[in-house]
Amino acid sequence: QKEVEQDPGPLSVPEGAIVSLNCTYSNSAFQYFMWYRQYSRKGPELLMYTYSSGNKEDGRFTAQVDKSSKYISLFIRDSQPSDSATYLCGGNYGQNFVFGPGTRLSVLP
Amino acid sequence: DAMVIQNPRYQVTQFGKPVTLSCSQTLNHNVMYWYQQKSSQAPKLLFHYYDKDFNNEADTPDNFQSRRPNTSFCFLDIRSPGLGDAAMYLCATSRDGSRTDTQYFGPGTRLTVL
Repeated sequence: QKEVEQDPGPLSVPEGAIVSLNCTYSNSAFQYFMWYRQYSRKGPELLMYTYSSGNKEDGRFTAQVDKSSKYISLFIRDSQPSDSATYLCGGNYGQNFVFGPGTRLSVLP
Repeated sequence: DAMVIQNPRYQVTQFGKPVTLSCSQTLNHNVMYWYQQKSSQAPKLLFHYYDKDFNNEADTPDNFQSRRPNTSFCFLDIRSPGLGDAAMYLCATSRDGSRTDTQYFGPGTRLTVL
């Protein structure tokens, strides 16, 4: 079993839709959880990070962690074509960072 | 702006010809990482430095080596590139490797092996 799993997609939604991206993880040692956005042929860009279970909001983005079920989610409200990218979730314990394969999102105008 | 810089952005090499990829950072972070990312896959950690301490992943081939001459710079050397080494190579940094640390990535170097 991979440490971090996510549906690779692709996921296509119309502009303005609410997007839900999900990951599961298996390593209980993970203490910090991150979401990165990666545009085609570019490096990942840190979107949000969270430590505890619960929700964290930043503009149109909400990150949610449920440590009891080892589930991580990212919600995007009012999605825009510029949100079209691959979204990587990840977790870390100290210097060890582990990522999922990413979900490819297309927001159609 | 503080950032992670990778050079070159695109590198073409021949099968078996050594190649060096460069990463520099202005964040003054203690930890630097090298990842290999193939199409539609998660970044795969090759190794990382905590300051001068080198940490190699168990499944990283011997063909891959790294150097960190100072805090700001880190190099990835591929001694004899094979066709399977064609990928995006990502450099990342983190402040101190603490449990609340986060990583910052460079734009990547896309390596083509002919």
